[in-house]
Amino acid sequence: QSVLTQPPSVSGAPGQRVTISCTGSSSNIGAGYDVHWYQQLPGRAPTLLISHDSIRPSGVPDRFSGSTSGTSASLAITGLQAADEADYYCQSYDNALSVVFGGGTKLTVL
Amino acid sequence: QLQLQESGSGLVKPSETLSLSCDVSGGSVSSSGYSWAWIRQPPGKGLEWIGYIYYSGNTYYKPSLNSRVTISLDRSRNQFSLRLTSVTAADTALYYCARVTTLLFDYWGQGIPVTVST
Repeated sequence: QSVLTQPPSVSGAPGQRVTISCTGSSSNIGAGYDVHWYQQLPGRAPTLLISHDSIRPSGVPDRFSGSTSGTSASLAITGLQAADEADYYCQSYDNALSVVFGGGTKLTVL
Repeated sequence: QLQLQESGSGLVKPSETLSLSCDVSGGSVSSSGYSWAWIRQPPGKGLEWIGYIYYSGNTYYKPSLNSRVTISLDRSRNQFSLRLTSVTAADTALYYCARVTTLLFDYWGQGIPVTVST
């Protein structure tokens, strides 16, 4: 059971928009700690996708965006492409547990 | 470009100690403002933070692993290491090393699989 809750899977057709939620609590996201998102392509190490809630590192397409509200965060992907098929993880900091990850969401492009 | 590379034993017997190292190139483990972390991923599961060591040497561990984990820096070799004692099958995982900045992981190694088995 992860401290940050993500849906196990989401799917969408090419060109569509999908969102992945990350639900925390008052001791992590709700406490004001930033949320970061990672993309893990099949068989690869995770890479930083979104930092500090909504900042795209250099090289990340603007099809990816992040937001937070209250005790939750969301990752949105627009113009879905086959290459986006991957596992996505949110990560934050928790007052009691230090660094915490979400359980991960598998994105399937139909 | 910063690069990290894990190395160490891929097979550890139950109750023994897991030891891994992470070689850092293109940067220094002594660079101020950065920490160096270990993260693992059990087969078919999600990411689990193990701990990290600040450039100054201060360490921070996941509470549930605190009694078994030691992360250390070797400035002369520009590397950092993980020791996990009293391993069980539950410690079988792909182990990643990563750089930490502002509580996020911006550079990752490729990962090294570790199996705990007799």
